[in-house]
Amino acid sequence: GQQVMQIPQYQHVQEGEDFTTYCNSSTTLSNIQWYKQRPGGHPVFLIQLVKSGEVKKQKRLTFQFGEAKKNSSLHITATQTTDVGTYFCAGNSGGSNYKLTFGKGTLLTVNP
Amino acid sequence: NAGVTQTPKFRVLKTGQSMTLLCAQDMNHEYMYWYRQDPGMGLRLIHYSVGEGTTAKGEVPDGYNVSRLKKQNFLLGLESAAPSQTSVYFCASSRNRGTSADTQYFGPGTRLTVL
Repeated sequence: GQQVMQIPQYQHVQEGEDFTTYCNSSTTLSNIQWYKQRPGGHPVFLIQLVKSGEVKKQKRLTFQFGEAKKNSSLHITATQTTDVGTYFCAGNSGGSNYKLTFGKGTLLTVNP
Repeated sequence: NAGVTQTPKFRVLKTGQSMTLLCAQDMNHEYMYWYRQDPGMGLRLIHYSVGEGTTAKGEVPDGYNVSRLKKQNFLLGLESAAPSQTSVYFCASSRNRGTSADTQYFGPGTRLTVL
C-alpha cells in the first residue's frame, strides 16, 4: 500500500532559526495536505497542494510540492515559540481513494 | 457550529471490558474516519465511512468495530479491550469532493488507557 515517509522525526531549534520537514511518498500523489498538532491538541489543517511544482506561502511558512508529485516540504522561516508542535504531511492518491495516508510527523520544539 | 465532537474525553478500562466511542459532526460531511495515535507512529486509520450506512476497514482495524447509522454520527466499538489498544483516538470528517481527498476536520480526541 501507499507509504508516506517524513523526516526528521524530531527537530529542536533556537527561536529565530529556520526549520524544514520533508515528506516522501512511495506512489504518485493526487494531492498532499499538511496538518499541525499542538501538544495535547488535535491535528489542524494548514494547506493543500495539488499541482506539480506548486509553492504556497502562509506568512513564515512555505510549502512545496515536487515536480513528480511524490515529495513535499514545509519550511518555516525564523521560528517562534508559537510554532511548537508536530507537523504532519498526508498524501492522497486520488481516484476512488478518499483516504489520507499520514506521515509519522516531525515534532518541532523551539528554545526561546 | 461545534465541528467534530468526541465523547468521552478520557477513559480507563480493564482488559476484556467493552466500550463505545462516539463521534458527532454538524458540518453535513459525507466522510468520517477513526484514527489512533501512538507515540512515534503518527496517525493510523482504523475504519472509515463514505456515507450513512457504510463502513470500511483502514490500516489497523483488528479489535475494533464501527457503525454509521446516522450521517452525523460515527461510533467506534471495542468489544474486548486489550492493553495494546491504549492510545489516543481521533475522529475526523470531510466533504465529498469527488475524485480527491478534501480537508479533514478532527475532533479533540479520546485518551483511552487499558489496564
